[in-house]
Amino acid sequence: AQTVTQSQPEMSVQEAETVTLSCTYDTSESNYYLFWYKQPPSRQMILVIRQEAYKQQNATENRFSVNFQKAAKSFSLKISDSQLGDTAMYFCAFMPYNNNDMRFGAGTRLTVKP
Amino acid sequence: NAGVMQNPRHLVRRRGQEARLRCSPMKGHSHVYWYRQLPEEGLKFMVYLQKENIIDESGMPKERFSAEFPKEGPSILRIQQVVRGDSAAYFCASSIGETGVMNTEAFFGQGTRLTVV
Repeated sequence: AQTVTQSQPEMSVQEAETVTLSCTYDTSESNYYLFWYKQPPSRQMILVIRQEAYKQQNATENRFSVNFQKAAKSFSLKISDSQLGDTAMYFCAFMPYNNNDMRFGAGTRLTVKP
Repeated sequence: NAGVMQNPRHLVRRRGQEARLRCSPMKGHSHVYWYRQLPEEGLKFMVYLQKENIIDESGMPKERFSAEFPKEGPSILRIQQVVRGDSAAYFCASSIGETGVMNTEAFFGQGTRLTVV
């Protein structure tokens, strides 16, 4: 069975600074997807970034980038130039390539301080 | 404390049948959220319920879909007269209070995979 662990229940960062959210996972699958979702108070789940395990290059979306270490089963999210609007819950998720069995971590609450 | 429990894990329905998806929140949680994940897409918010009340159903299709969270028992997402486009993974999350308030966090179930044939 796959598990996803986010070891930081809460994080805070000053506006304009950089923060890294941790995520580790456990799986015997060789092909899979990894995701970071953002959940602001509106309850919407916003896909921040997606990584395919067979790609060695780390995914990047504007101020968001990941550090994907497949051997270590680690998938951390780096947010650069943090903005007040980045304040939200962030969920790491794992999904095997051949099915829709998505698993979520418990989430990290990020607060960006002015 | 068991996590959020969703059942069934897999559900196959023929077009025109009804699908009933169940979500038992974590013990002590009175807030439930339903999300739909379509193939190749992210999670889409559908509905937010508290016990016996629908708080926000802005993401729910106006027809064929309904949700309830009775005083006793699990939350139910009901899809009537299913069509092929309803095939997706449906996730439930629960929280002790409203997420975003007082550091409340949501916990997700493992989802129900609905296949309409």
